Amino acid sequence: KAGVTQTPRYLIKTRGQQVTLSCSPISGHRSVSWYQQTPGQGLQFLFEYFSETQRNKGNFPGRFSGRQFSNSRSEMNVSTLELGDSALYLCASSLDVDTSEAFFGQGTRLTVV
Amino acid sequence: GDSVTQMEGPVTLSEEAFLTINCTYTATGYPSLFWYVQYPGEGLQLLLKATKADDKGSNKGFEATYRKETTSFHLEKGSVQVSDSAVYFCAVTGGGNKLTFGTGTQLKVEL
Repeated sequence: KAGVTQTPRYLIKTRGQQVTLSCSPISGHRSVSWYQQTPGQGLQFLFEYFSETQRNKGNFPGRFSGRQFSNSRSEMNVSTLELGDSALYLCASSLDVDTSEAFFGQGTRLTVV
Repeated sequence: GDSVTQMEGPVTLSEEAFLTINCTYTATGYPSLFWYVQYPGEGLQLLLKATKADDKGSNKGFEATYRKETTSFHLEKGSVQVSDSAVYFCAVTGGGNKLTFGTGTQLKVEL
C-alpha cells in the first residue's frame, strides 16, 4: 500500500507570493490533516479535512487555507507569504474521524526568501 | 486546550544504555497518547500508542504506559542502538484526529 505522498518536496518562494502544497492520503483514508513544523514553534496543527469539509482548524491566520477533493486528496494554500512561513509542512492521513492513528508524509520544505 | 510537556534534549547515550524520555500531558476527556519518531529529512513515524488508562504501547523494543493518575506517558527502551538516533515526539489527541505535540527530544546514541 502506498504511503502518504506530498508534493513538491522542496519549494523556494519569494515574500508576497502564494504557494499551493499537495497531499495524497493512503488509499481508502478519508481524513487529511496538515501541520507546520518550525524550530521555534515545533509542530503545530493547521487544519483537518474529512469528506471535503474542514472539521477542525488551528490558530493560524486566514492566509492559510486548505481544501479536500472528492478523492480525499488535499491541498493547502498560503497567500502573501512571509519569511516566518518558512517551515516543513506535514500532511497526515487517517482512515476516518477519531481513528487515533495518523500516518505522515515526508513533508514539503518551504523556504520563503 | 490539550498540551504536552516532554523533557528537553539532546539526550546522549552510549549504545546498549537504558533510555527514558519523560512525557506528561493535559487533556480533557479520554485522550489517546502517542509517541512519534522523526529521522533526519523525514516525516513522522508512529512508534507506539495507547488509547486508555493502563494500556502499554510497545514497538521495536520501545514501551510506554498510559498513566492517568500521573498524566504521564514516558518512553522507555532497555538497550538503545545507534540506529535509534532521532527526534522523539510525544503527542495527545482528545478526540478527532487533531494531534497536540510536545517539543520533541533529540536522542543521540554513540558507539
